[in-house]
Amino acid sequence: QVQLQESGPGLVKPSETLSLTCSVSGGSISTYNWNWIRQPPGKGLEWIGYIHYSGSTNYNPSLKSRVTISVDTSKNQFSLMLTSVTAADTAVYYCARAPDYDISTGTPYYFDYWGQGTLITVSS
Amino acid sequence: DIVMTQSPDSLAVSLGERATINCKSSRSVLYSSNNKNYLAWYQQTPGQPPKLLIYWASTRDSGVPDRFSGSGSGTDFTLTISSLQAEDVAVYYCQQYYSSPRTFGQGTKVEIK
Repeated sequence: QVQLQESGPGLVKPSETLSLTCSVSGGSISTYNWNWIRQPPGKGLEWIGYIHYSGSTNYNPSLKSRVTISVDTSKNQFSLMLTSVTAADTAVYYCARAPDYDISTGTPYYFDYWGQGTLITVSS
Repeated sequence: DIVMTQSPDSLAVSLGERATINCKSSRSVLYSSNNKNYLAWYQQTPGQPPKLLIYWASTRDSGVPDRFSGSGSGTDFTLTISSLQAEDVAVYYCQQYYSSPRTFGQGTKVEIK
């Protein structure tokens, strides 16, 4: 059974960089496709971006200028960096697996395994 | 971006009764070359991550009870819970994966009447 676990600081100051890691267990990260999705408190879901185990990425244009997703296959982990955060970036951040993806666009289909999520609060 | 609009925002259904949730996309998510609808449904219970229920608009994920069913094509889709159980109290989301960025509906909250 694949399990995903997010880890991160919990609190980030405005204008700083948010860094999160997702550890994958029960399966190799060198298969399938890996994503970050967030959910502001009491609100809906926003797809942030995706990384293929080969390293190719695709980001939501609304966040593209501030987002970097990377993968470390040796540690079975992938990571999110979001720069210049504001209060609007306060959310529960989830990592999730996509079992398949659109080869032509490099974007994931649906998400079948999710981490429990970690709340990131942006505040001074 | 494709905008996903769900209706209603919330509904209350008696135990054992049918619950119906609608999802409308701003553009068709039917890919004509393979006749597949690029739409998924998720269930989110309080304090938990979303759980995949249905993909390709009507294919249940492994282990999902058969009281959950998905239907529709093009721009209009429905998630039906045929006989509501107490454990089905949750927020339900639709998601399109026809175009980038992937987008979700705003969610529909299902409660017990």
